[in-house]
Amino acid sequence: EPEVTQTPSHQVTQMGQEVILRCVPISNHLYFYWYRQILGQKVEFLVSFYNNEISEKSEIFDDQFSVERPDGSNFTLKIRSTKLEDSAMYFCASSDHQGVSYNEQFFGPGTRLTVL
Amino acid sequence: KNEVEQSPQNLTAQEGEFITINCSYSVGISALHWLQQHPGGGIVSLFMLSSGKKKHGRLIATINIQEKHSSLHITASHPRDSAVYICAALNYGGATNKLIFGTGTLLAVQP
Repeated sequence: EPEVTQTPSHQVTQMGQEVILRCVPISNHLYFYWYRQILGQKVEFLVSFYNNEISEKSEIFDDQFSVERPDGSNFTLKIRSTKLEDSAMYFCASSDHQGVSYNEQFFGPGTRLTVL
Repeated sequence: KNEVEQSPQNLTAQEGEFITINCSYSVGISALHWLQQHPGGGIVSLFMLSSGKKKHGRLIATINIQEKHSSLHITASHPRDSAVYICAALNYGGATNKLIFGTGTLLAVQP
């Protein structure tokens, strides 16, 4: 069964460093999302992406964040200069707005980011 | 005020019990997701529904659009059902269908 994959599963970085979190969405999906979950808190929407551009972003998604679909299969989230409060689990999701799975979002296993 | 509220926040049940988790939302939605999150963090979609009722194995989800309320039921609960159950509203207000998450219900099913 097709699934969303994410790498790495765990990333440890020093404050101020750049990190890139990678996701491979389900191959025929066209809509891509990043969410994050700070430990003990609810999952929060960061950004959605369609047709090679950002469709919507939250207040959390400031200038330190960027997303890219560099090669038609990967979908990346870059944090330019990490802060302690960026420590969280980051989830990628994808969806297909047609057919049986209309609108349903499928999640990757997450990347746990720890900023020291 | 949270746009998506769940109750209870914590639930302990004995194996075999019938379990109900409730979700109320205040935003306009196109659909509602029920998701399961296990320790270690991965999120699995259980249901997406926009009306009526869906059933998958021992899980049943219902939604009442007029009352802005959904329930997730687990029949004949088992210790392996222990997880966090999250409802998330699929919000049609923006350019895309982002999910607005509830805080989750931590379910522990004891043998």
